[in-house]
Amino acid sequence: SQQGEEDPQALSIQEGENATMNCSYKTSINNLQWYRQNSGRGLVHLILIRSNEREKHSGRLRVTLDTSKKSSSLLITASRAADTASYFCATDAGGTSYGKLTFGQGTILTVHP
Amino acid sequence: SQTIHQWPATLVQPVGSPLSLECTVEGTSNPNLYWYRQAAGRGLQLLFYSVGIGQISSEVPQNLSASRPQDRQFILSSKKLLLSDSGFYLCAWTFPGPQRNNEQFFGPGTRLTVL
Repeated sequence: SQQGEEDPQALSIQEGENATMNCSYKTSINNLQWYRQNSGRGLVHLILIRSNEREKHSGRLRVTLDTSKKSSSLLITASRAADTASYFCATDAGGTSYGKLTFGQGTILTVHP
Repeated sequence: SQTIHQWPATLVQPVGSPLSLECTVEGTSNPNLYWYRQAAGRGLQLLFYSVGIGQISSEVPQNLSASRPQDRQFILSSKKLLLSDSGFYLCAWTFPGPQRNNEQFFGPGTRLTVL
């Protein structure tokens, strides 16, 4: 079953605005990852945040993690039309899970030029 | 550098026909390999994973099977396809061993339509 749940399911914004996507999960994790998928393509890894980290930045991306609330958010600042894609959070339970990830249902982001 | 290939890119098959999807990884040894299915462009469901040749773990009971005949080759099969097997199939790999904070690298996917 899918552990992660993204919110909102779809987000439509104008170029230059910020986009915020949220993810909730149910069980303890070793890390949480965000991936991007362009229509009809494979997923591309964006950023990983460990369970002992609270915030992480990469370029225009900012990820937060609140393990007490079992939630994470992905912020894309100054969005561009090229950011239009689906975004997924994925949790890694760690231990001997051999890197298995549990994916959420995703947020479809549309950035209008 | 590492690359991952999947083929075919698209496939249309009749109900009851067999299936074979192939995934190969280049530039790394003994990767952990994964097969996912994605329905209607939404979340991914993990189907199988493998930590070595001949070692396959199934995550959900289904009409599909997987095999790993070579270190960097992962095959998804079915003897008789069902309509419900339609979807987007993604192969992924990550570095070997019990994982500590490693990302997964995805192939381009195979779009399967069962009619």
